[in-house]
Amino acid sequence: EPEVTQTPSHQVTQMGQEVILRCVPISNHLYFYWYRQILGQKVEFLVSFYNNEISEKSEIFDDQFSVERPDGSNFTLKIRSTKLEDSAMYFCASSEALLYSPQETQYFGPGTRLLVL
Amino acid sequence: SQELEQSPQSLIVQEGKNLTINCTSSKTLYGLYWYKQKYGEGLIFLMMLQKGGEEKSHEKITAKLDEKKQQSSLHITASQPSHAGIYLCGASTYSGGGADGLTFGKGTHLIIQP
Repeated sequence: EPEVTQTPSHQVTQMGQEVILRCVPISNHLYFYWYRQILGQKVEFLVSFYNNEISEKSEIFDDQFSVERPDGSNFTLKIRSTKLEDSAMYFCASSEALLYSPQETQYFGPGTRLLVL
Repeated sequence: SQELEQSPQSLIVQEGKNLTINCTSSKTLYGLYWYKQKYGEGLIFLMMLQKGGEEKSHEKITAKLDEKKQQSSLHITASQPSHAGIYLCGASTYSGGGADGLTFGKGTHLIIQP
């Protein structure tokens, strides 16, 4: 069964460093998403991406964050200068772009646990 | 902004018993999603409900969306150890479809006692 994959599974970085989190969405999906979950808190939406541009973003997704689809399979989240409060589990998700479907099921990856020291 | 309240926050159930988890929205729901999360892992999609009064079942799990589309319940029949985990409801309040970010509840922690 197709699934969303994410690398790395764990990342430890120093405050101020740049990190890139990688995702491979399900192959025939066209919508891509990033979410984060700070330990013990809700899963929070960061950004959605379609047709090589950001479709929607939350207040959390500030100028420190960027997303990119560098090739036909990968989808990345970059944090330019990490802060302690960026420590969280980051989930990538993808969904199909079904014609005439008002809602799209989002399939999540296993997550990347980011720890900023 | 939309808020989703889940109840109960945690639930301990003896194996074989039935249970219900609720999710209430402050706004009309255009899509209500149920996911299961094991501790420290990803979200596994269970079911999606769109229409008022809709009910879906998969194996021993049934989810319903009320007529007013502001509340959903997840019911597990004859619970098993494999049902243990965190159940999350997620919602879209945008009717237009597309790449809509979901809002999630805090989750219900389910423990199954043998």
